[in-house]
Amino acid sequence: AQTVTQSQPEMSVQEAETVTLSCTYDTSESDYYLFWYKQPPSRQMILVIRQEAYKQQNATENRFSVNFQKAAKSFSLKISDSQLGDAAMYFCAYRSSLFGSGNTGKLIFGQGTTLQVKP
Amino acid sequence: DVKVTQSSRYLVKRTGEKVFLECVQDMDHENMFWYRQDPGLGLRLIYFSYDVKMKEKGDIPEGYSVSREKKERFSLILESASTNQTSMYLCASSPGAANYGYTFGSGTRLTVV
Repeated sequence: AQTVTQSQPEMSVQEAETVTLSCTYDTSESDYYLFWYKQPPSRQMILVIRQEAYKQQNATENRFSVNFQKAAKSFSLKISDSQLGDAAMYFCAYRSSLFGSGNTGKLIFGQGTTLQVKP
Repeated sequence: DVKVTQSSRYLVKRTGEKVFLECVQDMDHENMFWYRQDPGLGLRLIYFSYDVKMKEKGDIPEGYSVSREKKERFSLILESASTNQTSMYLCASSPGAANYGYTFGSGTRLTVV
């Protein structure tokens, strides 16, 4: 079974600085998708960024980028020029590309990292 | 704007009550999911459904059941609520293809007293 681990329960960053959130995962599959979700105090989970395992190029969305190391099974999120609105809990998640009973589209989440942004 | 709507934001129920949590999506998504979120544990999958009247157990199905009579609606049922089911419950939906992420509802914080 696949697992996702976020080893940093809490992180803090100064406004306008850069912060990196860590995520590792375990899988025997070669084709899968990785996601970072943001959950602000409003509780609404928002998709931040997505990475396809078959793509070597790291995904980027504005100030958010990932460092995807497939061999190391590592998927970290870098937030540049941090803003107060980035304060939230961030979840790393894994999704298999295989379909079949018991495996259809499940997202497997890490424990989450709470990010504090200091003004 | 696409939406997943959960019927209640906050809910307080008594031990032993039968509890229904409702979730409706307007995106014609095949897959729907129920997770619970607890501090330090992340999101854990309770049940999911990949088609009308189809359901599959997730990682922690004990004490829960689900119903999906229509494509847009996925209900989570606590047959006899217990205090250890006090939690945040999140509903989500997604298209059938694996490269899509989920669209989440805004969650129901359930307290069982």
